[in-house]
Amino acid sequence: NAGVTQTPKFQVLKTGQSMTLQCAQDMNHEYMSWYRQDPGMGLRLIHYSVGAGITDQGEVPNGYNVSRSTTEDFPLRLLSAAPSQTSVYFCASLEYGRMNTEAFFGQGTRLTVV
Amino acid sequence: AQTVTQSQPEMSVQEAETVTLSCTYDTSENNYYLFWYKQPPSRQMILVIRQEAYKQQNATENRFSVNFQKAAKSFSLKISDSQLGDTAMYFCAFMKDPNNTDKLIFGTGTRLQVFP
Repeated sequence: NAGVTQTPKFQVLKTGQSMTLQCAQDMNHEYMSWYRQDPGMGLRLIHYSVGAGITDQGEVPNGYNVSRSTTEDFPLRLLSAAPSQTSVYFCASLEYGRMNTEAFFGQGTRLTVV
Repeated sequence: AQTVTQSQPEMSVQEAETVTLSCTYDTSENNYYLFWYKQPPSRQMILVIRQEAYKQQNATENRFSVNFQKAAKSFSLKISDSQLGDTAMYFCAFMKDPNNTDKLIFGTGTRLQVFP
């Protein structure tokens, strides 16, 4: 059972470059989300999706795009990387129900923008 | 909008002792879920414990227990018999009832150091 697979684990970008962080889950979860983690600021929500074809903005969406064409995949796109986007990024999918509500996380991507 | 506040950026405890991490939240909802997640140096996010707001009984998982005070909007985590492996960042998180699926919101975290 793979759970949430997030790639890459590490990435260095130059300012202005674009890239896509991949996230896939095999648990048939409807809810998926992207967070960034910065020292002293916890995990801040970038974008989330409650099902295929449905996405919405979180707390810090600027500079990031998402799409959800399938239940399994939820990629995060940086269109023009900036040093302020240096962070650790986490993808999560959520299993929800009365007895077993829980978020499952990928291993994280450490992104450095120089 | 919901908010989650963790007022203790860092805590330390000696091995075998007990430590309590604080979390408060703000919401107008009546039904919701609260979580504590652990993040060790490996960066992996691990669910420690979960509390459903409609349950009055405090959740427990082995050495981990919570003190859930719904009226005060407080959700503290108690770690008993602390072990070196408990050293990690701990995040408190909030989510509305699954029937009203919405954002999962995290606090800023508490870094716990367990000393031998």
